[in-house]
Amino acid sequence: AQTVTQSQPEMSVQEAETVTLSCTYDTSESDYYLFWYKQPPSRQMILVIRQEAYKQQNATENRFSVNFQKAAKSFSLKISDSQLGDAAMYFCAYRSAFKGGSEKLVFGKGTKLTVNP
Amino acid sequence: DTAVSQTPKYLVTQMGNDKSIKCEQNLGHDTMYWYKQDSKKFLKIMFSYNNKELIINETVPNRFSPKSPDKAHLNLHINSLELGDSAVYFCASSPAAVVNEKLFFGSGTQLSVL
Repeated sequence: AQTVTQSQPEMSVQEAETVTLSCTYDTSESDYYLFWYKQPPSRQMILVIRQEAYKQQNATENRFSVNFQKAAKSFSLKISDSQLGDAAMYFCAYRSAFKGGSEKLVFGKGTKLTVNP
Repeated sequence: DTAVSQTPKYLVTQMGNDKSIKCEQNLGHDTMYWYKQDSKKFLKIMFSYNNKELIINETVPNRFSPKSPDKAHLNLHINSLELGDSAVYFCASSPAAVVNEKLFFGSGTQLSVL
C-alpha cells in the first residue's frame, strides 16, 4: 500500500519570503501522480499543483513549484513571495496511474502553514 | 453553480442516532468518493463508487452504508452513531477516464456526535 509522509506538522514564513514544505512517499509503482492540495479555514480542498511521475520536469504554477525527486520519492512544494492568503493546511497526495485499481487519493497528514505579516 | 455539493454543512446529533449526508455532483463525472477528516486533519478514503458500483471500501464499519442512486449522487448513511464518528466528511468526484485529473471536493460536512 502506498503511504505519504509529511514530516512538518507546522511551518511559518514571513510575508514575501519563500517556504518549502516536505513530502515523501512510498510506492512500488512506476507510474503515478502527485498532488498538493490546500485547505484554508473555509475547509474547501483546493488543488495547488500536480505532477506526473513520468515527467522529469518539475511542475510550476505561478508562485508554486515542486521539487520532484523520483528516485528519492520526494515531492516538496516551494511557495515563493508568500502571501497572507497562503496560510492554510497543505496536503501532499498520491494517486496511482493504474486504472481500475486505486484511483483514490492517499493523503499525507498535512502541514499547517502560517504566514506572518 | 457548485460542482460538488453536500448537505448538510453541519450536523450535531446524539450517540445512537442514524443520520445521512447527501452529495451531488453536476460535472458528469463517473467516480465519486467519501473521505473522512479526523480531528487531527488526517484525510482518509472511505468509499469510492464508479458509475453506481462500489469499487473501494476501506475497512469502514458496516454502520456506514453508501448509496448511489445514480452516478451524480453518492449519499452516506450512518447507523448507531458513535463519539468516534465525529469528523468532517468530504464528498469528491473525478472523471473515471482521466486518472491524472484532480478530485473535485465538496465543502465538507462537520459531524459532531454528542
